[in-house]
Amino acid sequence: SAVISQKPSRDICQRGTSLTIQCQVDSQVTMMFWYRQQPGQSLTLIATANQGSEATYESGFVIDKFPISRPNLTFSTLTVSNMSPEDSSIYLCSVALFRGNQETQYFGPGTRLLVL
Amino acid sequence: SQKIEQNSEALNIQEGKTATLTCNYTNYSPAYLQWYRQDPGRGPVFLLLIRENEKEKRKERLKVTFDTTLKQSLFHITASQPADSATYLCALDRDNQGGKLIFGQGTELSVKP
Repeated sequence: SAVISQKPSRDICQRGTSLTIQCQVDSQVTMMFWYRQQPGQSLTLIATANQGSEATYESGFVIDKFPISRPNLTFSTLTVSNMSPEDSSIYLCSVALFRGNQETQYFGPGTRLLVL
Repeated sequence: SQKIEQNSEALNIQEGKTATLTCNYTNYSPAYLQWYRQDPGRGPVFLLLIRENEKEKRKERLKVTFDTTLKQSLFHITASQPADSATYLCALDRDNQGGKLIFGQGTELSVKP
């Protein structure tokens, strides 16, 4: 299995500020995925972080708001920029690994963000 | 657009009974479907994957069925225990290439002793 850690685990931020979330994986992976889980909602994919190239964003998410870095095969950061209360969510990073003949997706513990 | 729906109501059952959760999808032909467990304050944990050519898959007390004609998957927990209480999510791989999942809203299961 993959072990994924995230920092910080939670934070309370003021509107207009930015927060950078770190994700560390214990395996080398080509792609890392960032998801958001708004209160009472399910997970929504924000972007795919590719090592060595620009991240690809899903509809409704833009690089200026959620810049992503992917400096190596085990690490990625997601920044939530110019935050508003609507950005209050849990942010999770994820990787997909092949084990046997099956792909399994692993999630980090999440970063719980509250914007005041 | 692709859409996944799960039982929106919380499911309350007695210990020892079988819990059955439903996942329906539209506008999609997935190669496989996945089920996850999520506990409060934690990320989802992968449970089972079932492929389109598999009717049923089992893992210990868990059983998943997949009906591509009905566009539905059923998730069963037999001999349920209070420790099974959690939110269960079904997910489809958006482009069948790994990693980009579309999740249902989840069903909260509560198993009473």
